[in-house]
Amino acid sequence: DAKTTQPNSMESNEEEPVHLPCNHSTISGTDYIHWYRQLPSQGPEYVIHGLTSNVNNRMASLAIAEDRKSSTLILHRATLRDAAVYYCIPAPGANSKLTFGKGITLSVRP
Amino acid sequence: DGGITQSPKYLFRKEGQNVTLSCEQNLNHDAMYWYRQDPGQGLRLIYYSQIVNDFQKGDIAEGYSVSREKKESFPLTVTSAQKNPTAFYLCASTFLGNSPLHFGNGTRLTVT
Repeated sequence: DAKTTQPNSMESNEEEPVHLPCNHSTISGTDYIHWYRQLPSQGPEYVIHGLTSNVNNRMASLAIAEDRKSSTLILHRATLRDAAVYYCIPAPGANSKLTFGKGITLSVRP
Repeated sequence: DGGITQSPKYLFRKEGQNVTLSCEQNLNHDAMYWYRQDPGQGLRLIYYSQIVNDFQKGDIAEGYSVSREKKESFPLTVTSAQKNPTAFYLCASTFLGNSPLHFGNGTRLTVT
């Protein structure tokens, strides 16, 4: 199974951009990269996913390195509601065994 | 509204008792998953199922059992053999192929 490495925590100021990194050097060629976030005492929610190209949606942008060994989740303007734990996971195309790491705890300062 | 429902939200049991956590989805998803989360930790995979009447062990299956008799339902039984059952349990589902996971809001189990 592909493993991921993320910093334990990051801090940001409100209304500033945030770049959350993830290393997935053992990812296979067909694995998508998914990002989820989890607020306290809730289940994780889907944020974004991609394969090779950069992706944008209303929540965030995902920048994927050309060699696919790393990716960066970009929150363009952090808000206090973005304070959460963010997980990146390689997702096999068959959606079989989906394993989460410890994620990055993002704190947002007012 | 379509979604994934876990019940109950809080569950208390005495040590030595088996307990079953419910997970139901009406999203017509094929695959379902059970994760365990301990304080300050990430999610660890217990069991998953991609099709009715079939399931696979995850990374920490010992002391747990599951069944998948219906597509919509994937109950998890925490048996007395699980040494440290107190935790936050999360159920998730998705379509086969690359689709995002949808999570329930979890069941917090306390065993004393």
